[in-house]
Parts: sequence; structure tokens; C-alpha cells
Amino acid sequence: DIQMTQSPSSLSASVGDRVTITCRASENIGTYLNWYQRKPGKAPNLLIYATSNLQSGVPSRFSGSGSGTEFTLTIGSLQPDDFATYYCQQSYTRPWTFGQGTKVEIK
Amino acid sequence: QVQLQESGPGLVRPSETLSLTCTVSGGSLSSSFLTWIRQPAGKGLEWIGRMYDSGSTNYNPSLKSRVTMSQGTSKNQFSLKLNSVTAADTAVYYCARESRITMTIVAIDIWGQGTMVTVSS
Repeated sequence: DIQMTQSPSSLSASVGDRVTITCRASENIGTYLNWYQRKPGKAPNLLIYATSNLQSGVPSRFSGSGSGTEFTLTIGSLQPDDFATYYCQQSYTRPWTFGQGTKVEIK
Repeated sequence: QVQLQESGPGLVRPSETLSLTCTVSGGSLSSSFLTWIRQPAGKGLEWIGRMYDSGSTNYNPSLKSRVTMSQGTSKNQFSLKLNSVTAADTAVYYCARESRITMTIVAIDIWGQGTMVTVSS
């Protein structure tokens, strides 16, 4: 299976900060990388698919980049609604696998 | 708007079969996959497998020998069965829609709320 590793596992940030989360794949996955946001007690929500494509309804402060084995999710200006856990997921080869998550907390 | 809802027993005895149902409302899953994912407490998300509306399935090799996914007699219901369960199968189980965005790009765009299943005697 392809291993997905996110860093950091958690971070503290303030409203208005620029936040970057990294996801590394154990092998080349092209741009087959999706990002999800999950808030406590809620199901995950698709933010970005295929590395850089914003899902409908997702604010433009979210962006994604990368290819191959290294990917980033950037929140341009952190908003109160963005405090959550973020997961990357590869859809290059089955079984799909997820990163362990990055928890974004309020500083 | 398509919505998904998991249902089933919250407690299953070791060695028995875990059975969950996913009910789809507000539309169909035509041309999409019905996917099952789980998350044990304190651990990551694990893709269990998926079923296409044709009935074809793909399972995670780590669970393949114990998993069966099927569609119910009602077209809007899907089931997950996991046999010979142990405490390691204790998790929140999600059903979700995996959409084919292009021929090669898929993403899980609609999730159920999840249901907690505990394996314990």
C-alpha cells in the first residue's frame, strides 16, 4: 500500500495566519491527491481533488499544489471556521490510503 | 442533494459478523461508487472498499477475506458485512459516495455521519 505521511500532526495558528500542511507519498502518485476537512463530530468534507482543484462551494482561501510525492494544502488567511483536522488521500492506486491527519488549533 | 446514512448494531460480539446498512436519499448513486471507510479511535482513516452500481466491487486486500458489500433489494440501500470480527474492528464506520470526476480522477465527495461499532463480549 502507498503510505501517506502528513506534517505537522498538529499546529496552532491565529485567525488571519497563512497555514501550510504537507503530505508526502511513499511513491509517485502523480497528481492523484485529495484533501478533506473534518470538524469534531462531523463527517469529512472534500476540499480539493486532484491536487489543486477546488471542490464546489469551498472558499478560495484554500489551495493545493504539488506532484509526485510531495503535496501541500495552503489556507491563505485562516478563518474561525477553518479550525479542524485535515486529511490527504491518494487515489492513484487501490487501496486508497489517507494521511494520519493534521489538527489545526487556535493559538 | 444526495445524503447517506449508516445504520446497524453498535455492539458486535467477537467472532461474529458486523452488518451495516447505508441508505441513500435525495438522489441516486448512478455512475458513482458506494464506498465504506472506517476510523478506529485515535487512528487514521482506512478505506474498506467500494461497490459500483453495476454490482462490481473492489476491496482493501487487508480485509478482502472478511468483507462483503452488496446492494439491497431496495436500490437505495447498500450493505457492508465484515465477518470474524475482533476488537481491532472497533471503529466509526462511514459510507460515502466516491464520484468519478474524470475517467481517472475519483474523490469521496459525500459522506454519511458515521456510526460507531464496538466489538466486545
